[in-house]
Amino acid sequence: EVQLVESGEGLVQPGGSLRLSCAASGFTFSSYAMHWVRQAPGKGLEYVSAISSNGGSTYYADSVKGRFTISRDNSKNTLYLQMGSLRAEDMAVYYCARCGGSCSHWYFDLWGRGTLVTVSS
Amino acid sequence: SYELTQPPSVSVSPGQTARITCSGDALPKQYAYWYQQKPGQAPVLVIYKDSERPSGIPERFSGSSSGTTVTLTISGVQAEDEADYYCQSADSSGTYKGVFGGGTKLTVL
Repeated sequence: EVQLVESGEGLVQPGGSLRLSCAASGFTFSSYAMHWVRQAPGKGLEYVSAISSNGGSTYYADSVKGRFTISRDNSKNTLYLQMGSLRAEDMAVYYCARCGGSCSHWYFDLWGRGTLVTVSS
Repeated sequence: SYELTQPPSVSVSPGQTARITCSGDALPKQYAYWYQQKPGQAPVLVIYKDSERPSGIPERFSGSSSGTTVTLTISGVQAEDEADYYCQSADSSGTYKGVFGGGTKLTVL
């Protein structure tokens, strides 16, 4: 079955760190660019970060630049998001998503079910 | 930054046609994409490259583009179509990618 499964859910204090993982299966993970998208409680979707298929190129939304790091391990079919200096506004469900088509245009044709990050003291 | 504007809500009766718009200055130059999200679930891609429909998406879902506005049309709306719908695109230079609209709540009366 083609799927993405996020993990790493947790409660973290402001200023703290957390690492999310996304395990891919059912497709050739190393052939696809991957993304993270988040959704604060009761709010809309917000783009977070992207990484190319070989990990050589990354992109971050202004809201997380310098605080979050995206990476991948193609040998483990796993995508990561290392989050640091967390703020209350980072609290959200984090989704990993596969880039559709050849990724010449960014869109997301496969999504995980999401993992919740809670930032609170 | 770049913004895509959607109406907060749209309501239709079963069997009618629902139209959800998304406006953005770069839409004449950039493709738009549409996602459906039901409560407690992950988003699902329903339209890509303005008007293409992924496999498995019912034919009643269609997309169109005109100038700075793109439209998601759901013909013969069913109760199961009640969901939040998000458009997504990029700015004209490609600096801001993966930009989402604020979302539209479709209510089936």
